[in-house]
Amino acid sequence: DADVTQTPRNRITKTGKRIMLECSQTKGHDRMYWYRQDPGLGLRLIYYSFDVKDINKGEISDGYSVSRQAQAKFSLSLESAIPNQTALYFCATSDGAGTSDSYEQYFGPGTRLTVT
Amino acid sequence: AQSVTQLDSQVPVFEEAPVELRCNYSSSVSVYLFWYVQYPNQGLQLLLKYLSGSTLVKGINGFEAEFNKSQTSFHLRKPSVHISDTAEYFCAVKNSGTYKYIFGTGTRLKVLA
Repeated sequence: DADVTQTPRNRITKTGKRIMLECSQTKGHDRMYWYRQDPGLGLRLIYYSFDVKDINKGEISDGYSVSRQAQAKFSLSLESAIPNQTALYFCATSDGAGTSDSYEQYFGPGTRLTVT
Repeated sequence: AQSVTQLDSQVPVFEEAPVELRCNYSSSVSVYLFWYVQYPNQGLQLLLKYLSGSTLVKGINGFEAEFNKSQTSFHLRKPSVHISDTAEYFCAVKNSGTYKYIFGTGTRLKVLA
């Protein structure tokens, strides 16, 4: 089974709808991240969380919110979707504990979101 | 602020030829450097990373990269590519002591038969 899973994998929604993307991990990592990928722009950070009580905005958080329900779960919500939020969304985890795996990020398979 | 530049958006190369994908970053403060690969319809997978020590880093699938502090570069190389190496490759940088990973815009490697 994959270490980082995302649901749904694909979603088409209409402008103005609320949508939630979910991420679960079995790595046991404290740190979780949400990115969006747009062609030619690479990955941009939306939100990150270092533990259940620590949630922080990234560089493009406007129009998004998150919830860290447990160490293993981190959800991204679009309160009122708009067409320019059409993108590929990735969840990632990392271990900040100073181990040999430190700093490497583990990515989920992505959610392709289309807002019409 | 830290930035990452991948100058080549697309690199076509024939099978069994060598390839170099270029990555430059802006800040010379203590950094950690990464190369990730993204195959079609998949997430990103780590190829290799530089945290400290030897400047020549070997990764999976025969890839290697060299950290050059004076040139602020971390170019990815493979001596002989295969069709299966066709993918998008991302360079990423993390400054020591910060939370943030900065990704380049990606280089699409297309291996031709």
